[in-house]
Amino acid sequence: AQSVAQPEDQVNVAEGNPLTVKCTYSVSGNPYLFWYVQYPNRGLQFLLKYITGDNLVKGSYGFEAEFNKSQTSFHLKKPSALVSDSALYFCAVRDIRNFNKFYFGSGTKLNVKP
Amino acid sequence: NAGVTQTPKFRVLKTGQSMTLLCAQDMNHEYMYWYRQDPGMGLRLIHYSVGEGTTAKGEVPDGYNVSRLKKQNFLLGLESAAPSQTSVYFCASSHGQGVQPQHFGDGTRLSIL
Repeated sequence: AQSVAQPEDQVNVAEGNPLTVKCTYSVSGNPYLFWYVQYPNRGLQFLLKYITGDNLVKGSYGFEAEFNKSQTSFHLKKPSALVSDSALYFCAVRDIRNFNKFYFGSGTKLNVKP
Repeated sequence: NAGVTQTPKFRVLKTGQSMTLLCAQDMNHEYMYWYRQDPGMGLRLIHYSVGEGTTAKGEVPDGYNVSRLKKQNFLLGLESAAPSQTSVYFCASSHGQGVQPQHFGDGTRLSIL
C-alpha cells in the first residue's frame, strides 16, 4: 500500500532560520512525491514534485525538497524562513499502479515567528 | 483564471437532510476528486472520476454519492446527512496524462447538527 507519514504535527522556527518539514513514504516501486501548502480557509496549493532525476527538487516560493531513497524520505526545506511561510504543509504520494489516487500525510503546521 | 470553484462555501444542515456540493473546473482536466479534511487526519478521498460519465469509490465513500455528467462538473451528494459528515470538503482536478499535481478548490465547510 502507498502511504506517507509526517511525524511532526507542528514545527516552530524563527524568521530567517532554515526550516525543515519531514515526510517519509512507503510505496511499491518508484515513488511520485508531492508537497502542498494550505493557507487558512483555502485549498491546497502545489509546491513541488519528485518523479525522477535529481534528488534535490526546487519549487515555488523558495522551497525545495530532498529525496532520499535509502531513508525513504522527502523532506521539505527552505534556507531562510519568512513569517508568511506559516501555513499547513502536506506531503503526498501518487499511486503508481493507479494514477488516479493520491495519498496525503496528516499535515504539519509550520509556525514562523518574527 | 477561476481554476476549481466550489459552491457553496458554507452550509449548516440538520441530521437527515440532503444536499449537493458542486465542483466546477475550467482547465479541461480529465480527473476530478472529492476529499474530506478532518483535523489530524489529512485529506481522505471520498470518490473520484477519470472522465465524463465515470466515477469510482475512494477510501471513505459510505454515505456519499457522486455524478460527472459533464467534464467540467463533479457533484457530491449527501442523501441523509449525519453528524459524522461534519467536515471541510475539497474538490480537486488534474490532467490525466503524466504525473501532474492536483488543483484544489477553496473548500466547502459543512456542519451537520
